[in-house]
Amino acid sequence: AQSVTQLDSQVPVFEEAPVELRCNYSSSVSVYLFWYVQYPNQGLQLLLKYLSGSTLVKGINGFEAEFNKSQTSFHLRKPSVHISDTAEYFCAARGRGYNKLIFGAGTRLAVHP
Amino acid sequence: EADIYQTPRYLVIGTGKKITLECSQTMGHDKMYWYQQDPGMELHLIHYSYGVNSTEKGDLSSESTVSRIRTEHFPLTLESARPSHTSQYLCASSDSFMNTEAFFGQGTRLTVV
Repeated sequence: AQSVTQLDSQVPVFEEAPVELRCNYSSSVSVYLFWYVQYPNQGLQLLLKYLSGSTLVKGINGFEAEFNKSQTSFHLRKPSVHISDTAEYFCAARGRGYNKLIFGAGTRLAVHP
Repeated sequence: EADIYQTPRYLVIGTGKKITLECSQTMGHDKMYWYQQDPGMELHLIHYSYGVNSTEKGDLSSESTVSRIRTEHFPLTLESARPSHTSQYLCASSDSFMNTEAFFGQGTRLTVV
């Protein structure tokens, strides 16, 4: 069985500060990992994905994430956030050979001036 | 740019009415999904389809039904809406050959009064 845990429900941060949103997964098989962003009253937009290869993946809007197999983690980072980064962020996983995408509960990132 | 469309974006309807939420994609994806999301909460998979004439229930029990008569179209129907059905409904699609991320529509926010 697969599951995704986002360790922080809310993360407040000041503008231009660095941020890390934490995500852990559990799976009995190898997984594909994703981070999505959701702005108010919108659908989900893909930020980045890990399929294989380099464990550091870069995405849109200056975000990056690192896949750590030993710690079963896929934390999202940005070195300097903007007000416009305020949104809900979802970590998701899909086991290789499986069809269903499993989501974490989401982390609300609030960037303050 | 993802080409997956949901209509309507917002719907307010009375109890007992029959409703259909539309979802269409122009990417030729074989897999399609419906997620239910309460405000500020995680996404729950309620239906998915591997292809034409293939539909299955998701992880969260739902009174809604779906059909997949054409590859590009995956409508969701509630025969008799109730206030407990008030939620946001997100449609998504993915390509099993590419085996990558799911693309999401903008969502339908349903309110049953």
